[in-house]
This record gives sequence, C-alpha cells and structure tokens, in this order.
Amino acid sequence: NAGVMQNPRHLVRRRGQEARLRCSPMKGHSHVYWYRQLPEEGLKFMVYLQKENIIDESGMPKERFSAEFPKEGPSILRIQQVVRGDSAAYFCASSPTGLTEAFFGQGTRLTVV
Amino acid sequence: AQRVTQPEKLLSVFKGAPVELKCNYSYSGSPELFWYVQYSRQRLQLLLRHISRESIKGFTADLNKGETSFHLKKPFAQEEDSAMYYCALNPPSGAGSYQLTFGKGTKLSVIP
Repeated sequence: NAGVMQNPRHLVRRRGQEARLRCSPMKGHSHVYWYRQLPEEGLKFMVYLQKENIIDESGMPKERFSAEFPKEGPSILRIQQVVRGDSAAYFCASSPTGLTEAFFGQGTRLTVV
Repeated sequence: AQRVTQPEKLLSVFKGAPVELKCNYSYSGSPELFWYVQYSRQRLQLLLRHISRESIKGFTADLNKGETSFHLKKPFAQEEDSAMYYCALNPPSGAGSYQLTFGKGTKLSVIP
C-alpha cells in the first residue's frame, strides 16, 4: 500500500488562477479529510468527505474553495481565483472509517505569486 | 471553541537528556488527544494516542484532565528524535469523524 498520495507536491499559481490539488487515499479508505497549514501555524481542518458526499465542510472558506471525492478517482480540492493568502501547505488524510486513525499524505505546497 | 497550545516553538536538548514537549488544550468535554511527528521530508505520522496508553519509540504521554495537559516525554533523547511534533485534539469518537485540531508544533532538535 503506497500510502496517501498527493500531487503535485509543489504548485505555483499567479493571482487569479485556479489551483487543483489531488489526493488519492490509501487502498480501501473511503473517508478523506483536507487540512490547511498556513506559515507558522498548525494544521486546520477544512473538509471531510466520503465517496460522492461532503460530510462536513465547516472549515472551508465560504468562497472560492470547493472539494469533491467522486466515485472513481482522487479527491480534488479546488481553489478558484487564488490570492496570496491562499499560499499554504495543504494536507490530505484518509481513513477506512470515520472513527479510526487517519493517515496523512505528504502535502501540496501552494505558492501564489 | 477547542484549542491546542504548544508553548514552545523550538526545543533543543542534548543527546541522552530528558525531553518534555508541552501541550495544553481547551475543550468542554472529554476529547481524544494525540501526538503526531513529522521527520524531515516525511509525512505526518501518528506517534501516540492517549486512549492506547502505550510507549512508542520510548515516548509516553499522560492525559491530565485537571490541568488539561498532554505533555510528551522521553527519558533519554536520541538524535533520531529530531523532528517536528504536533499535539492534536479530536472530539469524542461519538462525534463520528476524525476532525483534528492541531497545535502549532514544536521543533525538537537533539544535539549530539
């Protein structure tokens, strides 16, 4: 099992562009979490998804951010019209159920220039 | 609102010295507490959870509900312990998900 795979590892976008971050959970895991880590801060919960469902998006900014976890393929975190303040490390974690340990990916470092 | 505080941004100790990484939390209830570790260029991984009460790599952590603390301890630091350590809180498992609140992390540097 290769672990949680995130790509790209590094992403540079100009202000106003769109950023798409991908997360492939571990085999057999149907629960995905996204976290954001701003510079000098701890990881902050953004959204919790199961296959084809958003369970809790209470940590997502109200505008420009969206997430999906389709029946087939990776989970996608999408940021439209990026701004400098979106520069951060974005981590994905997956678990087989919502009640057991979640395993983290290596993160995607987004830089907005 | 739940919060996790790690007061030390950086902690340097000599090899063989005891280590204590501090973590305090605020939550109105009985949360689950965790320690995560991130070695250089590696992914975040679970080190300890308070409900298992086990020792991993010589590290232990005791939940003190009176002081709302969950400090991480090791009697003799090793060079390979150098890493970033994060304390995290999860609402009780009855809440039905694994939505962690993390502290800002403490960078442990073990000096040879």
